Amino acid sequence: QSALTQPASVSGSPGQSITISCTGTSSDVGAYNYVSWYQQHPGKAPKLMIYEVGNRPSGVSNRFSGSQSGNTASLTISGLQAEDEADYYCSSYTTTDTLSFGGGTKLTVL
Amino acid sequence: EVQLLESGGVLVQPGGSLRLSCAASGFTLRSHAMTWVRQAPGKGLEWVSFISGTGGTKQYAGSVKGRFTISRDISKNTLYLQMNSLRAEDTALYYCAKGPGELLLHYFDDWGQGTLVTVSS
Repeated sequence: QSALTQPASVSGSPGQSITISCTGTSSDVGAYNYVSWYQQHPGKAPKLMIYEVGNRPSGVSNRFSGSQSGNTASLTISGLQAEDEADYYCSSYTTTDTLSFGGGTKLTVL
Repeated sequence: EVQLLESGGVLVQPGGSLRLSCAASGFTLRSHAMTWVRQAPGKGLEWVSFISGTGGTKQYAGSVKGRFTISRDISKNTLYLQMNSLRAEDTALYYCAKGPGELLLHYFDDWGQGTLVTVSS
């Protein structure tokens, strides 16, 4: 069982927006602004999409945004495109100086 | 250009040992934290271990603590993961990844392609 809880799947049509939640506790998500999000296409390595809750690395589309409220972080993808179809994982630093990942969310673009 | 090349993954019997390597180029390990993350077949990501750029901070997931050891050779710019007392549940694709700075351990911005470890008799 993963330490962070994500929905197993979400879906949306091209052009729509979707949000993926990541729920933890006051010992991880709620403790710091240290949530990150990774995208993983089948057979590929993970790719960093969001770090420190809402920051985008250079080269990542501004259609990707992140936020946090209490023990729950969220990744929003606006203007869905076919290429966004992938697995998405949240990650959080914890108060025991370790990292936790969510179980992953499969995004299907209809 | 940052490159991370993992190697060392093989089929090993339960109870056996293995050392994974991650050869880094385009940056120096001394200036960046590094991590190992694994992914069992068809499953999600699981953090395994990380080491700070200074080498002074090392942490492990509870599932591998006492069995796995992270280290690096600055002269070879290579990260290692020594894996002992291997179990079937350690079967996974093992990724190494680079942090943005020597003491920043909470996210990783470049990843290798992984090396497959299979633990089976």
